[in-house]
Amino acid sequence: NAGVTQTPKFQVLKTGQSMTLQCAQDMNHNSMYWYRQDPGMGLRLIYYSASEGTTDKGEVPNGYNVSRLNKREFSLRLESAAPSQTSVYFCASSLRVAGYTFGSGTRLTVV
Amino acid sequence: RKEVEQDPGPFNVPEGATVAFNCTYSNSASQSFFWYRQDCRKEPKLLMSVYSSGNEDGRFTAQLNRASQYISLLIRDSKLSDSATYLCVGSYDKVIFGPGTSLSVIP
Repeated sequence: NAGVTQTPKFQVLKTGQSMTLQCAQDMNHNSMYWYRQDPGMGLRLIYYSASEGTTDKGEVPNGYNVSRLNKREFSLRLESAAPSQTSVYFCASSLRVAGYTFGSGTRLTVV
Repeated sequence: RKEVEQDPGPFNVPEGATVAFNCTYSNSASQSFFWYRQDCRKEPKLLMSVYSSGNEDGRFTAQLNRASQYISLLIRDSKLSDSATYLCVGSYDKVIFGPGTSLSVIP
């Protein structure tokens, strides 16, 4: 009963480095999301994918790219990391709004 | 103005107390509302949905007031295990999470 699996759990990057955050769900959900969470800011949507093959920008997409590889997987890429991207990143999936299931998060520090 | 606003707290209450959180939303088109719970350094998890008629689940009661555009969460007989951050969520064509209200239940 894995739900939503995110990797890695922790990462430290130097400014300018790139990396990809991986997310996979085994609940056959159509929709998947990437959020970032910063103190006092709440969860902010970066990108989402309503179904396989589609992606759309959320509230804070700049500096990120996504790929919906198949129904199960939705990855988030930072092409050139900046200190402002230091945050906790959560992947989520859903059938409908109330059915949000979150992954355990990735704690990213950019130095 | 943020679309969903919450008092960040922290609310520090003794065990057994009743505590209430309010959340206001600015978009009158919002259709669905929820409360999520987030433990420290963990992911958010759905606590309960919020309906105009009210929704009760054990010690937890959620209410929606569309006229005043706010939702509330009431926790009765607080337990130590209720210590967490409570996120208010509203949705219309997108889902908006509030910043969260921190609750600490003290022995």
